[in-house]
Amino acid sequence: DVKVTQSSRYLVKRTGEKVFLECVQDMDHENMFWYRQDPGLGLRLIYFSYDVKMKEKGDIPEGYSVSREKKERFSLILESASTNQTSMYLCASTWGYGYTFGSGTRLTVV
Amino acid sequence: KQEVTQIPAALSVPEGENLVLNCSFTDSAIYNLQWFRQDPGKGLTSLLLIQSSQREQTSGRLNASLDKSSGRSTLYIAASQPGDSATYLCAVSRGGSEKLVFGKGTKLTVNP
Repeated sequence: DVKVTQSSRYLVKRTGEKVFLECVQDMDHENMFWYRQDPGLGLRLIYFSYDVKMKEKGDIPEGYSVSREKKERFSLILESASTNQTSMYLCASTWGYGYTFGSGTRLTVV
Repeated sequence: KQEVTQIPAALSVPEGENLVLNCSFTDSAIYNLQWFRQDPGKGLTSLLLIQSSQREQTSGRLNASLDKSSGRSTLYIAASQPGDSATYLCAVSRGGSEKLVFGKGTKLTVNP
């Protein structure tokens, strides 16, 4: 089975900090995605990547950036964390037949 | 713009009941539809994937159907159990590797 691993289950960061959320998949998938999930708003796409060093903005990219230096790793970066970025962050990957999600990172910005 | 709606938002049933969760989407030009389960505070677990050329998929007590022309999918759960309590999410994509568009989910509670 494909495994998508998010390095942290829970994170607490201070306003203004630079935050890195890491995601690793073990099945050589080309496509990786970052979503955030908020009550009442559902899952919204932040960024995605079709290949190494390639990235595309999703629906809500403001305040975020991403890095994909290796095929298996897709990092989400909060350049200067703000309280409105408190959320559940979910990473996913696919090779074109179904998506596999990680277990999520619950980020709290105080 | 694709929109996905799930009805009802919440459902409470007694153990043993058969139930149906509904998902509708506005743009029928989908590549596939996927049903997920999410337990509180956890990630998404894939339940069933239906490609656009398929009409249904089955896994154990779960059966998902797809009617592309009407923009609808249903997830049927037979003989529900308390362990089925979770939020069920439906998502569609326009291409095999394109982004998923999600509904907001149906929160299911199965009472012992």
